[in-house]
Amino acid sequence: DTGVSQDPRHKITKRGQNVTFRCDPISEHNRLYWYRQTLGQGPEFLTYFQNEAQLEKSRLLSDRFSAERPKGSFSTLEIQRTEQGDSAMYLCASSLTEGDGYTFGSGTRLTVV
Amino acid sequence: GEDVEQSLFLSVREGDSSVINCTYTDSSSTYLYWYKQEPGAGLQLLTYIFSNMDMKQDQRLTVLLNKKDKHLSLRIADTQTGDSAIYFCADAYSGNTPLVFGKGTRLSVIA
Repeated sequence: DTGVSQDPRHKITKRGQNVTFRCDPISEHNRLYWYRQTLGQGPEFLTYFQNEAQLEKSRLLSDRFSAERPKGSFSTLEIQRTEQGDSAMYLCASSLTEGDGYTFGSGTRLTVV
Repeated sequence: GEDVEQSLFLSVREGDSSVINCTYTDSSSTYLYWYKQEPGAGLQLLTYIFSNMDMKQDQRLTVLLNKKDKHLSLRIADTQTGDSAIYFCADAYSGNTPLVFGKGTRLSVIA
């Protein structure tokens, strides 16, 4: 197992465009999390899944954001009509059981120009 | 909501001990973690402690938990230049609630 994979590593997009990021968690991990990190800040929670069920969404996740985990394996995070304020590092993490620390991927850095 | 506070910067000399401090507001926090982030990388889990413990030691790392004061610390013994990074404290009320992270402490190790 190669850990949590995120694709792409970097994405530059024009304001107003839609973008989609992918996360492949560690295969036996049933919990998957999305966080956003801006410069000088800690990761901020966006949403999480247990298997294919999306159990919690942050108030940070506006209507332009949607996340899916259709078969309980990989997940996608889509941002529609991107804005400059969406520029950030988007981190995915997974875990196996309650109390386990998360294993993070390397992140997708989004730049909206 | 839950808040996790950390000092932003710490500078130590190589070979000295580093102590990174964290305070949290939720007295019901059950799980407390320390993560390390190097430039351009994701977060790496360093160590963790459960609320029923006061101390945990793992090689050069010692975690101390003071539940009364809601204070968590990470001590790194014999700090090396490779320890230069940002260290995040994180906590969760339960295993089913997402981790809340502090803003991170940037540790600089001077050779």
